[in-house]
Amino acid sequence: GQNIDQPTEMTATEGAIVQINCTYQTSGFNGLFWYQQHAGEAPTFLSYNVLDGLEEKGRFSSFLSRSKGYSYLLLKELQMKDSASYLCAVSSSGAGSYQLTFGKGTKLSVIP
Amino acid sequence: GAGVSQSPSNKVTEKGKDVELRCDPISGHTALYWYRQSLGQGLEFLIYFQGNSAPDKSGLPSDRFSAERTGGSVSTLTIQRTQQEDSAVYLCASSLAGLGPYNEQFFGPGTRLTVL
Repeated sequence: GQNIDQPTEMTATEGAIVQINCTYQTSGFNGLFWYQQHAGEAPTFLSYNVLDGLEEKGRFSSFLSRSKGYSYLLLKELQMKDSASYLCAVSSSGAGSYQLTFGKGTKLSVIP
Repeated sequence: GAGVSQSPSNKVTEKGKDVELRCDPISGHTALYWYRQSLGQGLEFLIYFQGNSAPDKSGLPSDRFSAERTGGSVSTLTIQRTQQEDSAVYLCASSLAGLGPYNEQFFGPGTRLTVL
C-alpha cells in the first residue's frame, strides 16, 4: 500500500517563503502531484514531478527525490490568498492500473 | 462544458436510503475518477474509469457502493442503504488520459452528502 505524510498545519507571514514537506512510501511510483484546496472548494492542480529535481512555476516550486521518497512544495512571496490546504498525492501503477493516493493535506495560514 | 460539474451540490438523506450522485466530466476527457473526502481527512480514491477499459474499483469501501459511466461520459456513483459514516464530500475528477505525465486531474465542486 501507500503511505503519505505531510504536516497537518503551518503558519507563515505574508511576503515570506514557506516549504511544505511530503514523504511517501509506495511501490510502482509513477509521479507526485501537489494540489491546492481552498476551504469548501475543489482541489486545483499545482505541479507534477516524476523525475528528481526542482520544477518551478512562478511563485510555486516543487522538488522531488525518488530515492528518499521525499518532495516539497515551496511558496515564495506569500500572499493572503495562499491560505489553503496543500495536498500531496502520489501516483502509483501496478497490474495495469493506476491509483492516486492523497495525503491528508497541510493547512497553511498566511498572516499579515 | 467549461469544467467538471456535479449534482446535486448538497444531499441530505436518511440512513438506509439509496442515493445517486452525478458527474459530468470535461468534454473529451477519457479518464474519470471518484474520490471521497471526510472531515479532516485526505481524499480517498474510490473508482477510476479509463476509456472503454474495465474500471478500477479497488477503492470502493463496500459492496453498497457502485459506479457506472455511460457512453464514456457522464458517471453516476450509487450508494445503497446509506450509513452515517458515508457522510462526506464526494468529488469527481477527469483528465485527458490516465494517470501519467502532465495528465492533471480537474476536479468538480463536489457533492456534500449528509446521512442522518
